[in-house]
Amino acid sequence: ILNVEQSPQSLHVQEGDSTNFTCSFPSSNFYALHWYRWETAKSPEALFVMTLNGDEKKKGRISATLNTKEGYSYLYIKGSQPEDSATYLCAFNDYKLSFGAGTTVTVRA
Amino acid sequence: KAGVTQTPRYLIKTRGQQVTLSCSPISGHRSVSWYQQTPGQGLQFLFEYFSETQRNKGNFPGRFSGRQFSNSRSEMNVSTLELGDSALYLCASSYDREVYGYTFGSGTRLTVV
Repeated sequence: ILNVEQSPQSLHVQEGDSTNFTCSFPSSNFYALHWYRWETAKSPEALFVMTLNGDEKKKGRISATLNTKEGYSYLYIKGSQPEDSATYLCAFNDYKLSFGAGTTVTVRA
Repeated sequence: KAGVTQTPRYLIKTRGQQVTLSCSPISGHRSVSWYQQTPGQGLQFLFEYFSETQRNKGNFPGRFSGRQFSNSRSEMNVSTLELGDSALYLCASSYDREVYGYTFGSGTRLTVV
């Protein structure tokens, strides 16, 4: 059973502030790491797929970095907006996706 | 472009019954995966199908089974339902998961009473 851990479990951010959170995964046999955003009453939405040779990924105000040697990835949200409120999931990709429990972000206006 | 469609959205079943959930992937996606989410748990992998073949299977009892048809539509079956099977079941499809990741459906909320 793969251990994919996300921290913190939840965080509250003031609108306009930037924030970041972590996903830890096994550093051996790395293939890819996925990030998803899951808003309430919606489906999980793919943000990034990060591979061994990938650089920092960016989508609007959201970006992600990857360190495969030490087994972690950071997701950054710059200038948080209320619409960024969601649960952010990372998933380690070997032959299947092993998901972390998620970081729930609440952006206060 | 139609997304991943799961039916039904909600389902209430009695212990001991069986249930079949359906998933229609995005056109052109040949990979379909199923996940279970229970309260307090992350998404747990059930199985993956690719071109009608089960490619991978998670750590679930044999009561959980699935199949994929030639049009890539997939069904998941749970027999002899238990209370603990109450969960949100998500289906996800992909054209190339290493590039694009998965597109998820809205899920089927199964309640076993």
